[in-house]
Amino acid sequence: AQRVTQPEKLLSVFKGAPVELKCNYSYSGSPELFWYVQYSRQRLQLLLRHISRESIKGFTADLNKGETSFHLKKPFAQEEDSAMYYCALSSSGGSYIPTFGRGTSLIVHP
Amino acid sequence: NAGVMQNPRHLVRRRGQEARLRCSPMKGHSHVYWYRQLPEEGLKFMVYLQKENIIDESGMPKERFSAEFPKEGPSILRIQQVVRGDSAAYFCASSYSGEGYGYTFGSGTRLTVV
Repeated sequence: AQRVTQPEKLLSVFKGAPVELKCNYSYSGSPELFWYVQYSRQRLQLLLRHISRESIKGFTADLNKGETSFHLKKPFAQEEDSAMYYCALSSSGGSYIPTFGRGTSLIVHP
Repeated sequence: NAGVMQNPRHLVRRRGQEARLRCSPMKGHSHVYWYRQLPEEGLKFMVYLQKENIIDESGMPKERFSAEFPKEGPSILRIQQVVRGDSAAYFCASSYSGEGYGYTFGSGTRLTVV
């Protein structure tokens, strides 16, 4: 069974501070990991996926298969980063239906 | 392209009434997914449909909930005889070919049962 754990419901930092939103997963096969973001009053949208190895809005995430983690990081948080962040896992073979974590609310204070 | 359209944005129903939530996928997308977001919880998968077919309904409650995606028109999530516990945000996503990364989400319908 697929499972995604985001241990923090809320993460509060000051502008310019580093940010790390934690995500751990359990899956027996080969996973695809994603981060989705939901800004206030907006729809959920894809932020990045591990397979593309890209940096979006200064955020990066590295898949660590040994630790079964896919933490989202940004070296210097901005106020506009305040949002809900969801980690999601999809199987690379078979069903592609992503399993989502419960989300972490990031608040960046000025 | 207007993206994934869900309506209504807000829906209030009394206990025992029926709720019908609509989702129009992005143009060209034939895969639709419904998720429910309960307070303090993440997005829970409910059902995956393609045109005229239910592909996976493993997340749907066995009673009172049904979904369809007809050949013409939007996908409908139907909840009969609503109860207070059905109050949640219901999100629809669509994709072109079923890969997880190709999801586009709608803005959701917030159902309140009074």
